[in-house]
Amino acid sequence: GAGVSQSPRYKVTKRGQDVALRCDPISGHVSLYWYRQALGQGPEFLTYFNYEAQQDKSGLPNDRFSAERPEGSISTLTIQRTEQRDSAMYRCASSLYTSGPTDTQYFGPGTRLTVL
Amino acid sequence: AQSVTQPDIHITVSEGASLELRCNYSYGATPYLFWYVQSPGQGLQLLLKYFSGDTLVQGIKGFEAEFKRSQSSFNLRKPSVHWSDAAEYFCAVGGANNLFFGTGTRLTVIP
Repeated sequence: GAGVSQSPRYKVTKRGQDVALRCDPISGHVSLYWYRQALGQGPEFLTYFNYEAQQDKSGLPNDRFSAERPEGSISTLTIQRTEQRDSAMYRCASSLYTSGPTDTQYFGPGTRLTVL
Repeated sequence: AQSVTQPDIHITVSEGASLELRCNYSYGATPYLFWYVQSPGQGLQLLLKYFSGDTLVQGIKGFEAEFKRSQSSFNLRKPSVHWSDAAEYFCAVGGANNLFFGTGTRLTVIP
């Protein structure tokens, strides 16, 4: 079956614009995660969902960042009023069960965001 | 708090040589440990994971890792590296709801 997909793969925007990043998890996967990966760093957790419920958003850096998963499948990460420091690779992952440290996360290819 | 340290930013090995990538973790309870590989333009792919039991775990692509609780380490090994193994490798520890990643080790393979 298909893996996790993300769109767009690349996004270039101007400072101050809003962007929406999409994640389509593996079919049937309950949990969905967003991570941000700066250049030369490992991915850092942003937020995660079980079904449509956002369970943890402690990793979102500020209130310009928000995420939703209204039907428990596709998720959108929105960044409002983008700043240059938001430039990074944004990765989405999904897992079959309702989270937990033993549940394997499957990652998408990421969206490379560049804010000019 | 959970954390992962990968002390080697970049490693270069010759094709056919053995490989060991280091990973040290900090975690209060029993750690759940992972190694992922990231090839250019690809997502993170799971190589192997350790939850409990045998401390030597086998993964895909001929990789293995050994959990050593006394050293808080989970080093990744491969007896003979192939040119296609050139990539970035990330060690991670599983938290309650997410993964904590190290900063990664970039592997270059010389023909």
